[in-house]
Amino acid sequence: SQKIEQNSEALNIQEGKTATLTCNYTNYSPAYLQWYRQDPGRGPVFLLLIRENEKEKRKERLKVTFDTTLKQSLFHITASQPADSATYLCALDNSNGGATNKLIFGTGTLLAVQP
Amino acid sequence: KAGVTQTPRYLIKTRGQQVTLSCSPISGHRSVSWYQQTPGQGLQFLFEYFSETQRNKGNFPGRFSGRQFSNSRSEMNVSTLELGDSALYLCASNRDRDAEAFFGQGTRLTVV
Repeated sequence: SQKIEQNSEALNIQEGKTATLTCNYTNYSPAYLQWYRQDPGRGPVFLLLIRENEKEKRKERLKVTFDTTLKQSLFHITASQPADSATYLCALDNSNGGATNKLIFGTGTLLAVQP
Repeated sequence: KAGVTQTPRYLIKTRGQQVTLSCSPISGHRSVSWYQQTPGQGLQFLFEYFSETQRNKGNFPGRFSGRQFSNSRSEMNVSTLELGDSALYLCASNRDRDAEAFFGQGTRLTVV
């Protein structure tokens, strides 16, 4: 069956360090992968999208990699700040090439950045 | 431009009742998807509507249904509510396929 795993339920790091979050999947061949941030009681907010033919994408302090051979994506936040504390979700395209926007989400990683 | 608007924000219903949730997508977005989020199961896809047609459906019972209107606004309905339907229901709109999803704040449904 299709499965998405994110590295851990919670990740604690010190302010200024780089946070690295992992997303592993099995039995998928997604055309793209997305990362979202979710704060308590709010809807997810889009951060980055990376396509299957892209190895790396950057946006300000964020970087995402996508390895379709390992079936893994890594999400990095450099120079982390307490304001980066939130749950981070990876989401995979599950359209199988069809005309749909169906996403399958991982369970999320709760990041806590300590001042 | 206005974001995705979901109403109501909070709802308390009794087992056996039915409920209708509403979602207004970002202007110009024709795709609207619905997700259920619970602590145990995470975010799960319910269905997607595009141009008033259901384009995809997740693995939920027939008690969960939806529709989309000509102005792209969407509603989802849950009939014969069960305690396990208590969740945060999220609506997302997309401009195109392969583009980011814009989520609303969600409707927190509690079934007692």
